Amino acid sequence: RKEVEQDPGPFNVPEGATVAFNCTYSNSASQSFFWYRQDCRKEPKLLMSVYSSGNEDGRFTAQLNRASQYISLLIRDSKLSDSATYLCVVNEGGFKTIFGAGTRLFVKA
Amino acid sequence: DTAVSQTPKYLVTQMGNDKSIKCEQNLGHDTMYWYKQDSKKFLKIMFSYNNKELIINETVPNRFSPKSPDKAHLNLHINSLELGDSAVYFCASSQVVVRALDTIYFGEGSWLTVV
Repeated sequence: RKEVEQDPGPFNVPEGATVAFNCTYSNSASQSFFWYRQDCRKEPKLLMSVYSSGNEDGRFTAQLNRASQYISLLIRDSKLSDSATYLCVVNEGGFKTIFGAGTRLFVKA
Repeated sequence: DTAVSQTPKYLVTQMGNDKSIKCEQNLGHDTMYWYKQDSKKFLKIMFSYNNKELIINETVPNRFSPKSPDKAHLNLHINSLELGDSAVYFCASSQVVVRALDTIYFGEGSWLTVV
């Protein structure tokens, strides 16, 4: 089993749609969780951290379920500019951070 | 001001050559990394340094040798380049706190093509 697994996509959605990405992780002792965004031919950048109680940042909502070792990202009212690859990231404590393979999102007009 | 800068951005070289990629961060972070992203877009850690000391070496061939002259710099030297080394190499840094992790800041990447 991979350490961090994500829906591979691609997800093709129209503008204004709601889309959800899922991620599972294998190490139950994992400490911190994040979503990063990577545009084509660019470096990954932090989108948001994921907190145990769930958290929201504008149109983006992240959820964490430690019991199921599951993380999700919900994007509401999708914009063309949301087209990117979304990386699920898990820190297992200290220096070890694992990146998922990413989920590609295409938002179309 | 670029927080994490790496050079060169593009590098095309022949098999068997030796090449280096340089990285510098001006964020005052203690931890620096090298990641490799292959053609399948999977981002995998190669090395991690904390205060100039190697702390993670993820089964990378000996042909890859990182060097950290100070905590703001982490260079990557690659000997005897092979076709399979073609990838994007990202330098990154963070300020790691025990039991938590600050944001990882990435450089723009170095596109290495071995022909």
